[in-house]
Amino acid sequence: GENVEQHPSTLSVQEGDSAVIKCTYSDSASNYFPWYKQELGKGPQLIIDIRSNVGEKKDQRIAVTLNKTAKHFSLHITETQPEDSAVYFCAASRYSSASKIIFGSGTRLSIRP
Amino acid sequence: GAVVSQHPSWVICKSGTSVKIECRSLDFQATTMFWYRQFPKQSLMLMATSNEGSKATYEQGVEKDKFLINHASLTLSTLTVTSAHPEDSSFYICSARDDSGVVDTQYFGPGTRLTVL
Repeated sequence: GENVEQHPSTLSVQEGDSAVIKCTYSDSASNYFPWYKQELGKGPQLIIDIRSNVGEKKDQRIAVTLNKTAKHFSLHITETQPEDSAVYFCAASRYSSASKIIFGSGTRLSIRP
Repeated sequence: GAVVSQHPSWVICKSGTSVKIECRSLDFQATTMFWYRQFPKQSLMLMATSNEGSKATYEQGVEKDKFLINHASLTLSTLTVTSAHPEDSSFYICSARDDSGVVDTQYFGPGTRLTVL
């Protein structure tokens, strides 16, 4: 079945440095790739997404890249800040009426002051 | 962005009782809502897809008689955990699909933490 793998499971970076989280997916029909940030005790919050007709998308300090041939996509956070500390999930979905989202296993990001 | 609410935010119940969790889309209509379950330090696992006016579609391994889903209106879906047991303790999260615009997007609720004693 569909599967999304995410690495690393934990990531610690110095404040101000960049953080990169990588994901791979198995379903070649996937064409929508959202990224979520989840803080403790809260629901996931969509922070950025990318569709298969685009290779890269940027929103201020956050950028995502997609390599559909290799089935890889990545999240890049630059100039990290303490409030970036959270668990990040990548996900993949077919752009269909059901839009079932398959989540990666999550990355716990810690920003060291 | 669109808002999805859940009620209650947390609930503690005794083993054997039933618990109902509500999921509402506050500023859009949602023909499709999803229910997820999340164990501590784990990812979200899709339990079922809730379709307004029809039966829910359950993922493999999810007992439909234990996790009753009702999507009676375009803004409300409910998940009832029947005869709850301690192993049902988890964080339950719903999402609602907004397909009214150019972009089809899911918005997640804040989650409900269920503790079964």
